[in-house]
Amino acid sequence: EVQLVESGGGLVQPGGSLRLSCAASGFTFSSYWMSWVRQAPGQGLEWVANIKQDGSEKYYVDSVKGRFTISRDNAKNSLYLQMNSLRAEDTAVYYCASDHDFRFDYWGQGTLVTVSS
Amino acid sequence: YELTQPPSVSVSPGQTASITCSGDKLGGKHACWYQQKPGQSPVLVIYQDNKRPSGIPERFSGSNSGNTATLTISGTQAMDEAVYYCQAWDSSIAYVFGTGTTITVL
Repeated sequence: EVQLVESGGGLVQPGGSLRLSCAASGFTFSSYWMSWVRQAPGQGLEWVANIKQDGSEKYYVDSVKGRFTISRDNAKNSLYLQMNSLRAEDTAVYYCASDHDFRFDYWGQGTLVTVSS
Repeated sequence: YELTQPPSVSVSPGQTASITCSGDKLGGKHACWYQQKPGQSPVLVIYQDNKRPSGIPERFSGSNSGNTATLTISGTQAMDEAVYYCQAWDSSIAYVFGTGTTITVL
């Protein structure tokens, strides 16, 4: 059974940093692109970033470029999102998702990030 | 690049519900659809315009042509109440999601 389990969310002040993690199991993690997708409270879905199987290519939505960094550790079947210079508008549930053929086959349960003073 | 969906669609149990997703030349891109129930993560229900992942009921179907993709739920059941999002990939913005449509089964 495919499982994606996010962790690392919480309350952080504007300008602060947070590192999200996603532990994958039940599939060959190293064979998949992986993405982070977020959902602000009561709002729709927004793709944030993705990373190639070997980590050699990374892409970001414009609003997080220069502030967020996606990475992965295939030996640990783990995906990460380092978030710096956080803003109120980054408040959202962050999902990790397997990224295959321009679709998201599997999603984690999400972790809530709240940016507030 | 934007994908536009109607905010809400109402349907009677057993009837057919259709949700549209409009975007420039969307028919030339592979569209997919996700179902999200309250408090839950999204679930892929249609990919590559009209394919169903394993475990998704046959009552879910999709089409995509011109500027519009459509998700159709035949014989809608109460369990189908959810928000549905379309999604496509575009070289200018990578992944884009639609605005979301709430299906209400009356």
